[in-house]
Amino acid sequence: GENVEQHPSTLSVQEGDSAVIKCTYSDSASNYFPWYKQELGKGPQLIIDIRSNVGEKKDQRIAVTLNKTAKHFSLHITETQPEDSAVYFCAASTVGTDSWGKFQFGAGTQVVVTP
Amino acid sequence: DTEVTQTPKHLVMGMTNKKSLKCEQHMGHRAMYWYKQKAKKPPELMFVYSYEKLSINESVPSRFSPECPNSSLLNLHLHALQPEDSALYLCASSTVSTNEKLFFGSGTQLSVL
Repeated sequence: GENVEQHPSTLSVQEGDSAVIKCTYSDSASNYFPWYKQELGKGPQLIIDIRSNVGEKKDQRIAVTLNKTAKHFSLHITETQPEDSAVYFCAASTVGTDSWGKFQFGAGTQVVVTP
Repeated sequence: DTEVTQTPKHLVMGMTNKKSLKCEQHMGHRAMYWYKQKAKKPPELMFVYSYEKLSINESVPSRFSPECPNSSLLNLHLHALQPEDSALYLCASSTVSTNEKLFFGSGTQLSVL
């Protein structure tokens, strides 16, 4: 089955700096890679996603890159702000099969942005 | 309305109690999900409902009983739980056609004593 590794487990950055979180996956059939942000006391929120036919996607200060050959994908947050402090989960899934909600999540990265 | 609302936010129950968790969405989503999340871990899928019918049960013990009375509501009935069942229980919903894009509620923090 799919296995997703996520690094680092914790990340401390100064406000205004960039943050990068990296994930690797094992199943070459995986074709959908979402990133979820979970703030304290809240459920995960989808912040950006990428499909296997795209190499990069950007939405304002966040971007995701995918390297299918190396089986890794990364989340980039630029100009970090205190409200970016949260746990971030990467995930991999095979959309188009009976994948319903069956994401293989990474272990999560606790991001702390200090003013 | 893009919210998934879960009640209660917190629940403490004994091992002999029966309780229910409730989830509601008004986005017209016809797929709804229950996840379990232990502290500092990612969510784990428990159940999936599609068009109000149970389509996936991830080998969850029978002390957890899901119910989908209509297209907006999802319940999780709890009975004879164990202390190791203490966790955050998350409800999510999606459209059927884009079932990879999940909208999560804030969860019910359950403690079993």
